[in-house]
Amino acid sequence: TQLLEQSPQFLSIQEGENLTVYCNSSSVFSSLQWYRQEPGEGPVLLVTVVTGGEVKKLKRLTFQFGDARKDSSLHITAAQPGDTGLYLCAGEAGNMLTFGGGTRLMVKP
Amino acid sequence: NAGVTQTPKFQVLKTGQSMTLQCAQDMNHEYMSWYRQDPGMGLRLIHYSVGAGITDQGEVPNGYNVSRSTTEDFPLRLLSAAPSQTSVYFCASSRTGMNTEAFFGQGTRLTVV
Repeated sequence: TQLLEQSPQFLSIQEGENLTVYCNSSSVFSSLQWYRQEPGEGPVLLVTVVTGGEVKKLKRLTFQFGDARKDSSLHITAAQPGDTGLYLCAGEAGNMLTFGGGTRLMVKP
Repeated sequence: NAGVTQTPKFQVLKTGQSMTLQCAQDMNHEYMSWYRQDPGMGLRLIHYSVGAGITDQGEVPNGYNVSRSTTEDFPLRLLSAAPSQTSVYFCASSRTGMNTEAFFGQGTRLTVV
């Protein structure tokens, strides 16, 4: 079983602060995906990173794939209340997509 | 666009009862999968299918059966429900191949008493 560990599990910050969520594994993945999930809904894809060392930006969100393709990070700049939600990383290997335990983010106005 | 449709949205079962969770997608995706989501544990893969007639086990397959007779449908069967199967179940579909986006249904919240 390929495990993905996310940290922190919970994060409560004030609007305007920056934050970083980490996703670590001892396994190598062919790609790493980040999803966001709202209460009562299924996860929705934010980004896919494929190449070791790759950095992708999505407005205030910056995603990075580790050089060895075992870890990834999500950095949010100037967080807003609308960023509140559950953030999930998922590693792709073979025919399986393995999810981390998630980071529950709350951004207070 | 319907995307991935799961039914029912909520279900309460008694221990030992059986039921089928339905999942249908209209995107002509070859790959479909079932996950369960428990608090603090993210999503765990139960079973998956890479195409009609082909299914395989994921991380936590015990107590669940699946079949894939058509591209569109991928039902999940609980033969004898147990309280440990209380969870939120998500069905997902995607195109086959690397680095493809998984589209999720809205989930089925199942309680086994």
